Amino acid sequence: DVKVTQSSRYLVKRTGEKVFLECVQDMDHENMFWYRQDPGLGLRLIYFSYDVKMKEKGDIPEGYSVSREKKERFSLILESASTNQTSMYLCASTGQGNEKLFFGSGTQLSVL
Amino acid sequence: GQSLEQPSEVTAVEGAIVQINCTYQTSGFYGLSWYQQHDGGAPTFLSYNGLDGLEETGRFSSFLSRSDSYGYLLLQELQMKDSASYFCAGRTGANNLFFGTGTRLTVIP
Repeated sequence: DVKVTQSSRYLVKRTGEKVFLECVQDMDHENMFWYRQDPGLGLRLIYFSYDVKMKEKGDIPEGYSVSREKKERFSLILESASTNQTSMYLCASTGQGNEKLFFGSGTQLSVL
Repeated sequence: GQSLEQPSEVTAVEGAIVQINCTYQTSGFYGLSWYQQHDGGAPTFLSYNGLDGLEETGRFSSFLSRSDSYGYLLLQELQMKDSASYFCAGRTGANNLFFGTGTRLTVIP
């Protein structure tokens, strides 16, 4: 079965900490995405990657960076966490030319 | 810019039909997808319209009209388990998919 795995379901961090959110997919997908989901705002795209070492900014990249060193893994990095980054973070992947996104179960990040 | 507008909430009766609308403003629009998300769960793919017209998948159908910058998701024979949030999503590039703010559907007995 298709699987997108996010390393943590819940995470609590302090303001100023460096935070790593990991995402792994087992479907050999070229494209991977990071979204954040906030009530009333839907899913907003932070970054996406269409190949190893390639990345593109989404709608809200400020305060975030990403890394894709291997095809199956896409990491989201908060260089210095702030309280306004408290949110649900969703990773997704899809194959080239495929419209169906597969989502991980999400990481609820709280920054205190 | 790009935006997808959806109603924030819809309530419908079990067994009925409900339509969730999605209007968009964007350039270079490729197509419209729909996702379902139950509380506490991940979004799951429902349908995709790359061309104008109706796509049917069981009880769910989705429609797109590019000339009207409009689409909708139609759910028939509503069941209690259909209570969830529904998101339309637009593609503006080969790999860029952006989402609407979502519609919370409540199915009542």
